[in-house]
Amino acid sequence: QITLKESGPTLVKPTQTLTLTCSFSGFSLSTPGVGVGWVRQPPGKALEWLALIYWDGDERYRPSLKNSLSIVKDISKNRVVLTLTNMDPLETATYFCVHKFKRNSHFDSWGQGILVTVSS
Amino acid sequence: NFMLTQPHSVSESPGKTVTISCTGSSDSIANNYVQWYQQRPGSAPTIVIYSDDQRPSGVPDRFSGSIDTSSNTASLTISGLKTEDEADYYCQSFDSDTYWVFGGGTRLTVL
Repeated sequence: QITLKESGPTLVKPTQTLTLTCSFSGFSLSTPGVGVGWVRQPPGKALEWLALIYWDGDERYRPSLKNSLSIVKDISKNRVVLTLTNMDPLETATYFCVHKFKRNSHFDSWGQGILVTVSS
Repeated sequence: NFMLTQPHSVSESPGKTVTISCTGSSDSIANNYVQWYQQRPGSAPTIVIYSDDQRPSGVPDRFSGSIDTSSNTASLTISGLKTEDEADYYCQSFDSDTYWVFGGGTRLTVL
């Protein structure tokens, strides 16, 4: 059974850098075809894909945010870390960690999400 | 940029059938699979349809997906509506430039 759990600060100040960790179990990010990514959802708004990293190190970023985002995998600790620089209050959102297989187009497992508020 | 457009809300009575549409801004919707997610309040999304019309194990066969290439529209149909189906539904597809794209979401109310 695949499980993912997000952790990190729930409050950051504008212009600060947000670092979120996705800790997972039930699979290994060294297995061919596996990917882990991030999706966010502002309160009352739609889902927005941010970034994804595959087992082979292939990284994908939302084009409009690619200069602000970084995604890193730590295979030995079964976790993926997302960094988002220069946070803005409009980026207040629930951040979800997701799992997918490269051969598929969908995110088959989701973490519970972590609400991050950007406010001074 | 590739976009997916959904109606903001739909409503229907228990036992009836409802269809939620998802229209692509380009013909990518015909060239890439469409997925549908259900999100109940306070919960993470869960997949209900993938690869246009495939149902994951555990999802009732009351849920079905289809594609109309002539209108560049994907549809999620839920038959025999139950109050537990009340949720937000999001379509999602892929574009080679923008990668994974979600629609704006549709709030389903089961009256």
